Amino acid sequence: DAKTTQPPSMDCAEGRAANLPCNHSTISGNEYVYWYRQIHSQGPQYIIHGLKNNETNEMASLIITEDRKSSTLILPHATLRDTAVYYCIVRLYGGDSSYKLIFGSGTRLLVRP
Amino acid sequence: ETGVTQSPTHLIKTRGQQVTLRCSSQSGHNTVSWYQQALGQGPQFIFQYYREEENGRGNFPPRFSGLQFPNYSSELNVNALELDDSALYLCASSQPDRGGYGYTFGSGTRLTVV
Repeated sequence: DAKTTQPPSMDCAEGRAANLPCNHSTISGNEYVYWYRQIHSQGPQYIIHGLKNNETNEMASLIITEDRKSSTLILPHATLRDTAVYYCIVRLYGGDSSYKLIFGSGTRLLVRP
Repeated sequence: ETGVTQSPTHLIKTRGQQVTLRCSSQSGHNTVSWYQQALGQGPQFIFQYYREEENGRGNFPPRFSGLQFPNYSSELNVNALELDDSALYLCASSQPDRGGYGYTFGSGTRLTVV
């Protein structure tokens, strides 16, 4: 199975951009990259996903390298409420609408006032 | 649009007992998957249910089983509980067979085995 590797922790100042890296060097061509975050052991919250192209939504941007072996999640203007554990995930396809999300161990992001 | 609801929120069981956890899927979603999250770790895939059948399984023993009902809700059953089964159990609903890419997670059930 594809595996993701993330730094265990990062911090950034409030109002600045937070750039969270992820390595997924064994990813296959049809496997999507997802990012979720989790606050205080609540259910993971969807942030963004992508396959090959860079993606942007109202929460964040996702930059995927051309070889797809790594990606970066960008929170453009971090706020204190963005303090959470961020998971980089690869979605594997097992056939017949069977998918599974492979979570990394996550990056604990601390946004400082 | 309703989200994913899990019950109960917390549960304490004794080693060797059996437990059933419940999950209602988000409106419009027909697939439910279950994840186990040990303390301080990322969630691990247990299995997925689609069209009331298991159609994908992670590295979990047969004492982890499940059901999906016609309304797409689901149950996770764990027999012969072990201390290592203590974890947050998450379910996620989705609609992958119609091009859906989103996964909506519930808030989880915190299971403690003593």
